[in-house]
Amino acid sequence: NAGVMQNPRHLVRRRGQEARLRCSPMKGHSHVYWYRQLPEEGLKFMVYLQKENIIDESGMPKERFSAEFPKEGPSILRIQQVVRGDSAAYFCASSPQSSGGSNEQFFGPGTRLTVL
Amino acid sequence: GEDVEQSLFLSVREGDSSVINCTYTDSSSTYLYWYKQEPGAGLQLLTYIFSNMDMKQDQRLTVLLNKKDKHLSLRIADTQTGDSAIYFCAESRNSGYALNFGKGTSLLVTP
Repeated sequence: NAGVMQNPRHLVRRRGQEARLRCSPMKGHSHVYWYRQLPEEGLKFMVYLQKENIIDESGMPKERFSAEFPKEGPSILRIQQVVRGDSAAYFCASSPQSSGGSNEQFFGPGTRLTVL
Repeated sequence: GEDVEQSLFLSVREGDSSVINCTYTDSSSTYLYWYKQEPGAGLQLLTYIFSNMDMKQDQRLTVLLNKKDKHLSLRIADTQTGDSAIYFCAESRNSGYALNFGKGTSLLVTP
């Protein structure tokens, strides 16, 4: 059973370009979470999605950031018009529909975004 | 949001025990977690504890929870060089909620 997959692992963009980060949850998992890790910081929650629904986006910046989890295919985190401050590691996690209340989240290896 | 605090660094000798401490402020925290992150890698869930428990042991790992003081600790017995990593404490209110992480404790194990 493959774990959470993210691609690309490393992404370099110039200021003003768009970044698209992909996440394929573990098989059988229908909940996806995106987190951002700035250098020497802990992970900060961005958004929580289920298939075709955004459940909680309280951690998403109000502008330039969007996320989706379509019926088919991976979850996408999209950052438009990137700025240097967007440089960070972006982690995706998934959990099954019912994890017995423990909310056990399994993390992918992350995408490291560098904005030049 | 609510805070999760950890000390930033810990250095121990191989074979000794390591104790990593964490405090949190959200009294509605239901689950508390310890994750391990190796350089350039994602986070690996080590263990978690439900808030109505005060201790959980899993092989070399022992988690202690003092709910009154909102204090969580992770003890690693017989620490090995392969245990060198960053350890994150995290809390959540319930299933389906986001995890709230501390900044991580960097553990260095020296031979």
